[in-house]
This record gives sequence, C-alpha cells and structure tokens, in this order.
Amino acid sequence: GENVEQHPSTLSVQEGDSAVIKCTYSDSASNYFPWYKQELGKGPQLIIDIRSNVGEKKDQRIAVTLNKTAKHFSLHITETQPEDSAVYFCAAKPLSNFGNEKLTFGTGTRLTIIP
Amino acid sequence: DGGITQSPKYLFRKEGQNVTLSCEQNLNHDAMYWYRQDPGQGLRLIYYSQIVNDFQKGDIAEGYSVSREKKESFPLTVTSAQKNPTAFYLCASSPTTVPSGNTIYFGEGSWLTVV
Repeated sequence: GENVEQHPSTLSVQEGDSAVIKCTYSDSASNYFPWYKQELGKGPQLIIDIRSNVGEKKDQRIAVTLNKTAKHFSLHITETQPEDSAVYFCAAKPLSNFGNEKLTFGTGTRLTIIP
Repeated sequence: DGGITQSPKYLFRKEGQNVTLSCEQNLNHDAMYWYRQDPGQGLRLIYYSQIVNDFQKGDIAEGYSVSREKKESFPLTVTSAQKNPTAFYLCASSPTTVPSGNTIYFGEGSWLTVV
C-alpha cells in the first residue's frame, strides 16, 4: 500500500517569512495530493490540492509543487501570518471513477509563526 | 449550512461500555469515512462506506463497528473490545463522481476519553 512521509515534524518561522513542508510517497499509482490544515481541537480543512497532470498550483499565499518522477510534493506558504500556525497534513491517493481508493496521510507538521 | 456534523463533541466512557459517535452530512456525498487521531499523530482509517448498506474495514477496524442505513448518516460504535479507545475521532465524506470526486471533507471531530 501507499506510504507517505512528511518532514519536518515541527517548523517555526518568523512572521513574514516563507514556510516549506515536504512529503514523499511510495505508490506510483497515486495521482491526487491534497493538503489539510488542522487547528487545535478541530477537524482538518482542505487548503489546496493538486492532481498529477500539473506540476504546480497556487492559491494566494499558498502553493503546492509536485515532482512525480521523484515522488515528492511540497507545500509553500509565503508571507506567513500568525493565523497560519496549525498542524498541516499531506496526503496521497489514486484518483478513480469510484473513489474507493484510500487516502493515505502523512504524520503532520506543526507550524508555528513567531510574531 | 451544508456540512458534516459530529456529536457529541466530548464523550467519556467507562471501561467495558460501548459508545456510539454520530456523524451526519447534508452534502449529498456518497462516501463516508471514520478516522482516528491520537495526540501528535496522523490520521488512521477505521471504516469507510461508498454506498448505503455497504462498508469496508480500514487499517484499524478491530474493536469498532459501523452502519450505513441512510446516505447522510454513518455512526461509529466503539466497543469494549477496543483496548485503547481514548482518541480524537473524525468523520469525513466525499463525492465519488468524477471530476469533483475524491476530495475528502472532515467534520469537527469528537473527543472520546475512557475513565
């Protein structure tokens, strides 16, 4: 089955600086890669996702890059703000017409923005 | 508002008791999921269901049971056979039709503590 590794487990950056979180996956059949943000005591919220037919996707201060050859993808947050402090999870799964493949999560990165 | 509603938010269980966590969604999603999250850990899949009256075991199904009698409801029972049930439980759902399918959305979670 799929195995997703996520690094680093904790990350502290100064407000206004950029943050980068990296994930690697093992199953070459995976072609859908979402990122979730989880605030304390709440459920994860989807912040951005990418499918394997593109190498990069941006949404305001957030971007995700994908290297299918190397089997890794990364989350980039620019101009970080205190409200970006949270735990971030990457995930991977094959897309299908039936949606029955499981989503495999990384172990999470606790991001702290230092004012 | 459309979304996924989990209840209760906090639940205490005595050893030897079964407890049921409720999950309701009004997103008209076909698929529903239950995940377990331990402190500082990632998300592990307990059970999932693609259609009414059908469900499959995830990675850690032992000690848990589910039912899917209605499209919008997917309750999880934590049985006395689950030896270490204290955790944060997350319900999720997703459409299964392409191209909008495969994105998983989470509820706000339920905290279960064994006392």
